[in-house]
Amino acid sequence: AQTVTQSQPEMSVQEAETVTLSCTYDTSESDYYLFWYKQPPSRQMILVIRQEAYKQQNATENRFSVNFQKAAKSFSLKISDSQLGDAAMYFCPVAGSARQLTFGSGTQLTVLP
Amino acid sequence: DTAVSQTPKYLVTQMGNDKSIKCEQNLGHDTMYWYKQDSKKFLKIMFSYNNKELIINETVPNRFSPKSPDKAHLNLHINSLELGDSAVYFCASSLQGTDTEAFFGQGTRLTVV
Repeated sequence: AQTVTQSQPEMSVQEAETVTLSCTYDTSESDYYLFWYKQPPSRQMILVIRQEAYKQQNATENRFSVNFQKAAKSFSLKISDSQLGDAAMYFCPVAGSARQLTFGSGTQLTVLP
Repeated sequence: DTAVSQTPKYLVTQMGNDKSIKCEQNLGHDTMYWYKQDSKKFLKIMFSYNNKELIINETVPNRFSPKSPDKAHLNLHINSLELGDSAVYFCASSLQGTDTEAFFGQGTRLTVV
């Protein structure tokens, strides 16, 4: 069984500033994957970044990077140089061997001009 | 070309009706999923299916049934619709056994009146 907790229902950031979204998880599996997806008002689920649990190096993707703390089961997302287009609901699901995604409740990010 | 497509995007129907949502993927993936997103934006797995195995979330009522005519399609049938079935339903696909992410359709907003 897997659980994901996103303790920040809402966050806001000024354009061009940096924001960090928190995520903690629990899983009994040794092989799992972590993702950050964004869901803008269009409803489309868009992959932002992914992290393999067996990799110690934190994933980065342009302005997006993660801080993966395996022992603490923490997987936060840092968005640098925030843009208006980053405004969305952010989810950090975890996938185990069955590859089904277990989601948290999401964090609604507002970007202020 | 749309990778994962669902039809219809919006569906309004009366209680007690039977309805279907279609999903097609052109990514060559071997596993498809249905997720339900409730009014609080919480996403939960309903089914995952490949040509070998159907995994059903035990909380899903048996009024919901997935039907897969071939590897590229996974349709969702819902019998005797209830008010509580109102939600956004997402189809997704991925490659089983790899670390690739799930690709999502654009969602179907089902409203039961």
